[in-house]
Amino acid sequence: KAGVTQTPRYLIKTRGQQVTLSCSPISGHRSVSWYQQTPGQGLQFLFEYFSETQRNKGNFPGRFSGRQFSNSRSEMNVSTLELGDSALYLCASMGGPTNYEQYFGPGTRLTVT
Amino acid sequence: GEDVEQSLFLSVREGDSSVINCTYTDSSSTYLYWYKQEPGAGLQLLTYIFSNMDMKQDQRLTVLLNKKDKHLSLRIADTQTGDSAIYFCAEGLSGNTGKLIFGQGTTLQVKP
Repeated sequence: KAGVTQTPRYLIKTRGQQVTLSCSPISGHRSVSWYQQTPGQGLQFLFEYFSETQRNKGNFPGRFSGRQFSNSRSEMNVSTLELGDSALYLCASMGGPTNYEQYFGPGTRLTVT
Repeated sequence: GEDVEQSLFLSVREGDSSVINCTYTDSSSTYLYWYKQEPGAGLQLLTYIFSNMDMKQDQRLTVLLNKKDKHLSLRIADTQTGDSAIYFCAEGLSGNTGKLIFGQGTTLQVKP
């Protein structure tokens, strides 16, 4: 089975621009979560989608948004980029025999200049 | 509140056992997880334990859970240089959602 894939792997954007990141979960997994990882704040939960509906949301401003498609693929969008948005963005899909196994993709490294 | 704490650094000799500790505050956690992150990579799921279990063993890995003290540990037997990485513990909260609360990570250094 293929793992979680994320595209692109690296992105460089300018302050004020917007960006869209993509995540394809493991086949059969319906839950996709997004996390932001920075040296200062560590791993922080952004949001989770399940069957095209946002099921959970972290404490991030409204500039961070996401969606999920009928094939469970998910995208997250960050508008009006700030320097502090530079981070590794990780996507995870949940499923497996217990339905609690959460597998992460390799991440998208976003640099805002 | 939701908080997970880990010590930041652990150094061991190759062949020794490593024990990485974690404490959490939310008593409604369902599953507790251990992840490994190597430089430039995503998180690799190592193992997880259901909150009503005390112990889980998986090859060189042993997870111990003390639910009363909200303490979780990961023991790596016969630690190898390839085990050098950052290890994260995380708790999954009740309600079967994908939201995990992560600790700040423990850097494991394995000396030859």
